[in-house]
Amino acid sequence: DSGVTQTPKHLITATGQRVTLRCSPRSGDLSVYWYQQSLDQGLQFLIQYYNGEERAKGNILERFSAQQFPDLHSELNLSSLELGDSALYFCASSVTGTHVGDTQYFGPGTRLTVL
Amino acid sequence: SQKIEQNSEALNIQEGKTATLTCNYTNYSPAYLQWYRQDPGRGPVFLLLIRENEKEKRKERLKVTFDTTLKQSLFHITASQPADSATYLCALAAGGYQKVTFGTGTKLQVIP
Repeated sequence: DSGVTQTPKHLITATGQRVTLRCSPRSGDLSVYWYQQSLDQGLQFLIQYYNGEERAKGNILERFSAQQFPDLHSELNLSSLELGDSALYFCASSVTGTHVGDTQYFGPGTRLTVL
Repeated sequence: SQKIEQNSEALNIQEGKTATLTCNYTNYSPAYLQWYRQDPGRGPVFLLLIRENEKEKRKERLKVTFDTTLKQSLFHITASQPADSATYLCALAAGGYQKVTFGTGTKLQVIP
């Protein structure tokens, strides 16, 4: 158990809908990362937050947004869902997110299925 | 563009032998490289980190090498066990704000 929690574990929804994925980092970790993993794409970095502020951005679509709250939990919002958004979404956390080599601890993931 | 390549074909190895996995990268100057293990349907788990100025790192039965001239890292598991069967991902970061890029992983199967 990494100490990172994600809810829900599974999510099934229809095209065009909007969903929110939630992540609680390990106690003491200030940085949260979001990744998307689909079968043919591997693990794709979406976005990173550090202590409430956006720190780095990857291949995140405009239909997706995220935020980190004062209690350091984070939410990833996915809107206007398409079939291709079906994937495993992972959240990871690290102590600082700024120190070279800061280990990322991954949560169990949310499996999103868009029908 | 930046590219990380791991052997997409599964690696099958006999129990007790040494498994060697390869991670090659192009158009990249990583400050460090990490190896993760991922079991089906679960999040990756950090195994080892090696910095650009380090040639080799060891942890129990694991060994990682990092050759910045060849732009390659090798990940070795000695005395492999069936419990080592998983997908192994390499990840690189240029440093700074942890923008980490993952390879697609190599699936290792250790046969009893």
